Amino acid sequence: DTAVSQTPKYLVTQMGNDKSIKCEQNLGHDTMYWYKQDSKKFLKIMFSYNNKELIINETVPNRFSPKSPDKAHLNLHINSLELGDSAVYFCASSQGEPGDGYTFGSGTRLTVV
Amino acid sequence: GNSVTQMEGPVTLSEEAFLTINCTYTATGYPSLFWYVQYPGEGLQLLLKATKADDKGSNKGFEATYRKETTSFHLEKGSVQVSDSAVYFCALSDRSSASKIIFGSGTRLSIRP
Repeated sequence: DTAVSQTPKYLVTQMGNDKSIKCEQNLGHDTMYWYKQDSKKFLKIMFSYNNKELIINETVPNRFSPKSPDKAHLNLHINSLELGDSAVYFCASSQGEPGDGYTFGSGTRLTVV
Repeated sequence: GNSVTQMEGPVTLSEEAFLTINCTYTATGYPSLFWYVQYPGEGLQLLLKATKADDKGSNKGFEATYRKETTSFHLEKGSVQVSDSAVYFCALSDRSSASKIIFGSGTRLSIRP
């Protein structure tokens, strides 16, 4: 029973396209996150939602738009994809307290060609 | 702002060697500290954590002690195995940053048989 699941696992698309990545968690957590991992393995937070409300919105191009239809789902939509968007995108969830730590999904490898 | 600095890799050791991966942090408050591990092609998994000064986190033979006086959380293991080959991330989280986790740059560990 996967705790945090992301789809798709791999995504190859052309520049200029629009794509979405879906994330679902069955842990009953209140808070969900999107992180971007670049080719050097550096992890940077993009967004965080608590119970469907946006609480963290880092400096991310507005081509990226998160959507949380309910507290178990946090999707990421990307418009007008660029080569520099190629990365691994991780979804995560937590109870929202500093000491809780996150449970991560297995990642979506996005390649823009 | 909050930040995490960890030793650059890659680190290559022989099986059964002693491992230390250094990690220091900068934080305005009293953060919780974590070590995450990422195996090839997978998401991050929480390895261990400590939520207050002098706490020791431990799991799977790995240990790290929260040292407030030196702002450090070094990861150690007495005898590494080939299966420990992975990327290790030191991280922190505190209330001043809405409980978001800030990660270090990661240290790649390779263990030779």
